[in-house]
Amino acid sequence: GQQLNQSPQSMFIQEGEDVSMNCTSSSIFNTWLWYKQDPGEGPVLLIALYKAGELTSNGRLTAQFGITRKDSFLNISASIPSDVGIYFCAGQLGNNNDMRFGAGTRLTVKP
Amino acid sequence: EAQVTQNPRYLITVTGKKLTVTCSQNMNHEYMSWYRQDPGLGLRQIYYSMNVEVTDKGDVPEGYKVSRKEKRNFPLILESPSPNQTSLYFCASSFGTSGNYEQFFGPGTRLTVL
Repeated sequence: GQQLNQSPQSMFIQEGEDVSMNCTSSSIFNTWLWYKQDPGEGPVLLIALYKAGELTSNGRLTAQFGITRKDSFLNISASIPSDVGIYFCAGQLGNNNDMRFGAGTRLTVKP
Repeated sequence: EAQVTQNPRYLITVTGKKLTVTCSQNMNHEYMSWYRQDPGLGLRQIYYSMNVEVTDKGDVPEGYKVSRKEKRNFPLILESPSPNQTSLYFCASSFGTSGNYEQFFGPGTRLTVL
């Protein structure tokens, strides 16, 4: 079953505001990945994290792999209308090769 | 163009009528996977394959079958579909042998089982 808790479920923000979302789990993950899904399309990778404590940026996006390996956050600075979509965290669970996804954060940006 | 293709994109069927959703990738990727997406639940992995003839169950494999006879193709088979399998299905592939690396997703197949 679902083993990643992603929050918030949805966010309504004004253009230019910063956004923060996170994922937590009671289990240890080996990797954390953040994907974005635009309406009618499949998810696209934004950032991949492979080491505990790792902090990585990709343009206006910043993500961190928690020290305990049980959590990760994604920040988006100075949001713009094209940031609209659903953001998913994902990770490889323990020693398995299967992947777990969070339930998603639906982001709406008002111009 | 590097891509993952799925067919059909939309399918309406009836309970018990066997169906296959095809998935093909042209990137020579080792890893392929099937997910279903349901409101409030995100993506849940159905099956994955780390290489030809190697498949493993994901989080929600019940009611599904897969095969990996060739590297590029990974069809999803529903032997006897039921209404609770109504969902949006995504196929994905990755160059590594796990989902740890960037997965490239297909455009999705919306399945309705009446």
